[in-house]
Amino acid sequence: GQQVQQSPASLVLQEGENAELQCNFSTSLNSMQWFYQRPGGSLVSLFYNPSGTKHSGRLTSTTVIKERRSSLHISSSQTTDSGTYLCALEGSGGSNYKLTFGKGTLLTVTP
Amino acid sequence: GGIITQTPKFLIGQEGQKLTLKCQQNFNHDTMYWYRQDSGKGLRLIYYSITENDLQKGDLSEGYDASREKKSSFSLTVTSAQKNEMAVFLCASSIKGNTLYFGAGTRLSVL
Repeated sequence: GQQVQQSPASLVLQEGENAELQCNFSTSLNSMQWFYQRPGGSLVSLFYNPSGTKHSGRLTSTTVIKERRSSLHISSSQTTDSGTYLCALEGSGGSNYKLTFGKGTLLTVTP
Repeated sequence: GGIITQTPKFLIGQEGQKLTLKCQQNFNHDTMYWYRQDSGKGLRLIYYSITENDLQKGDLSEGYDASREKKSSFSLTVTSAQKNEMAVFLCASSIKGNTLYFGAGTRLSVL
């Protein structure tokens, strides 16, 4: 089946530092999405990024299909960035509509 | 914009009980999903539906039933609650090939 591996599992930063979160997948994809989840909260979409690079404020998502990876870069981190970041893959072929999620990266940004 | 409403927010059940979770969306999206989130295991797909009256099993469908009687609503039934079970059930909707939108979740505890 589809495998989605996220790294690191957890990350602690000081405010102002940058973060690079990785998502590796073992199958060809139709789409890759990144989500943010505050503790006890629901998931909020950050990026829908099947390929290439997209920017949103301090966030950048890059998906390289040939290398089967996607990354999320957070620049100048803030304490409000703390939470869990999840990537989700929609595979190509017979698995349309189904997203497979990674286990997430728990980010803690300290003052 | 639209919203996904999940009810109830909290659900406490007894072992062996049948429990029903409800989800409503006003995005007019065709596809709806039920995911289960357990600590340390990420999100796992239980059921999804690509249109009214359609049902597709996910990776975790055993022990669950689902119903999509209207385009706007998708319900999930736990057929027999397991003792000490604790999880968050997340409903989501999307247009195929596009971003997923999530509800706030139903938190289940089984005594």
